[in-house]
Amino acid sequence: QKEVEQNSGPLSVPEGAIASLNCTYSDRGSQSFFWYRQYSGKSPELIMFIYSNGDKEDGRFTAQLNKASQYVSLLIRDSQPSDSATYLCAVVQGGSEKLVFGKGTKLTVNP
Amino acid sequence: DTAVSQTPKYLVTQMGNDKSIKCEQNLGHDTMYWYKQDSKKFLKIMFSYNNKELIINETVPNRFSPKSPDKAHLNLHINSLELGDSAVYFCASSLGQHSYEQYFGPGTRLTVT
Repeated sequence: QKEVEQNSGPLSVPEGAIASLNCTYSDRGSQSFFWYRQYSGKSPELIMFIYSNGDKEDGRFTAQLNKASQYVSLLIRDSQPSDSATYLCAVVQGGSEKLVFGKGTKLTVNP
Repeated sequence: DTAVSQTPKYLVTQMGNDKSIKCEQNLGHDTMYWYKQDSKKFLKIMFSYNNKELIINETVPNRFSPKSPDKAHLNLHINSLELGDSAVYFCASSLGQHSYEQYFGPGTRLTVT
């Protein structure tokens, strides 16, 4: 089983700060990368995807991908208490149709 | 509303029983999935169907049997339930088998006593 690793946290940041969530993956053949947000007791919700090296911005969210280092990150600018959730990194395994999830990082944004 | 829906939302049953979970999507997607999220919140794929055809079948006990009567529906039947089957089961869908942007249903919390 190819691995997707995340720091489980909890990661605690003050309101208005930048939250930085990190993910590494073991399969060099992976080409597609996703970030899901999961509120407690709710289902995962897709918030970002990235396929190419570099940065991709969407509102307050920026996904960063470095395939050489096998590293994906998610930055949340101007963090809000409503951003408090578990963030799941997911990677499509090379050569398969499977989306492999990390165990998630729990983020708490303190007012 | 356009969505992925699951029934039931909660399921409490005893060991040895057989139960089913149903999933429906009205997004017009071709591909549907079953995931299991255990108590440690680890989300793992179990099965995937593309237009009624099984395309992913992970190492899951054969007590679990998915069925897709049409591309909008994917059901999960579990025989002889065990304590370790207690988890949240999520259905998801995507546009196609090569489109990995997946949309999840609300989940079914299964508790086996």
